Amino acid sequence: GAVVSQHPSWVICKSGTSVKIECRSLDFQATTMFWYRQFPKQSLMLMATSNEGSKATYEQGVEKDKFLINHASLTLSTLTVTSAHPEDSSFYICSVTQGFGNTIYFGEGSWLTVV
Amino acid sequence: RKEVEQDPGPFNVPEGATVAFNCTYSNSASQSFFWYRQDCRKEPKLLMSVYSSGNEDGRFTAQLNRASQYISLLIRDSKLSDSATYLCVVITDGSGNTGKLIFGQGTTLQVKP
Repeated sequence: GAVVSQHPSWVICKSGTSVKIECRSLDFQATTMFWYRQFPKQSLMLMATSNEGSKATYEQGVEKDKFLINHASLTLSTLTVTSAHPEDSSFYICSVTQGFGNTIYFGEGSWLTVV
Repeated sequence: RKEVEQDPGPFNVPEGATVAFNCTYSNSASQSFFWYRQDCRKEPKLLMSVYSSGNEDGRFTAQLNRASQYISLLIRDSKLSDSATYLCVVITDGSGNTGKLIFGQGTTLQVKP
């Protein structure tokens, strides 16, 4: 069964609205989760590192005020795309790393389409 | 220069063929290496980890050359079901379980009947 659950799988929203994507670690506690974005025919690009109980760490070029990350519990991180625009349409996916063996689990991903 | 580079392909091969993918990484301090498989519109799934000694899992063989900062994946006896995008993934910031993944662009494989 899934180790990391991501919701929603698909979302269509109007330009200017906000969309929240959830990433849940089902089998273990995760102090750190990662959020990636993948545009068509491109690689996954790390957006930010979500840290439980503290501020997220954003990669260069990612607007922290636009992509709000909240990691309020050890099993849930949320990514909110605020004031979404069509260019934000993408595949967003989270990952969780377990243990020192670096076993990495991905969520199922969320397809966002902004119209 | 990208941190992890792959030839995007596509590689079009007949069933039963042997195909090899290469990947180079720029950060010599990189610590862990993986090959992931991604099917269209799906999340990446771990294919195999890559070790300096080389490792094999059935029809798949992965090699790591730290001196050349080069990783390879060999697929023998290709099956139609091997058609996918293969992602070279590197962890460069270990810190125990907080490593960040750096993805290559991916190499697309199409296996034809």
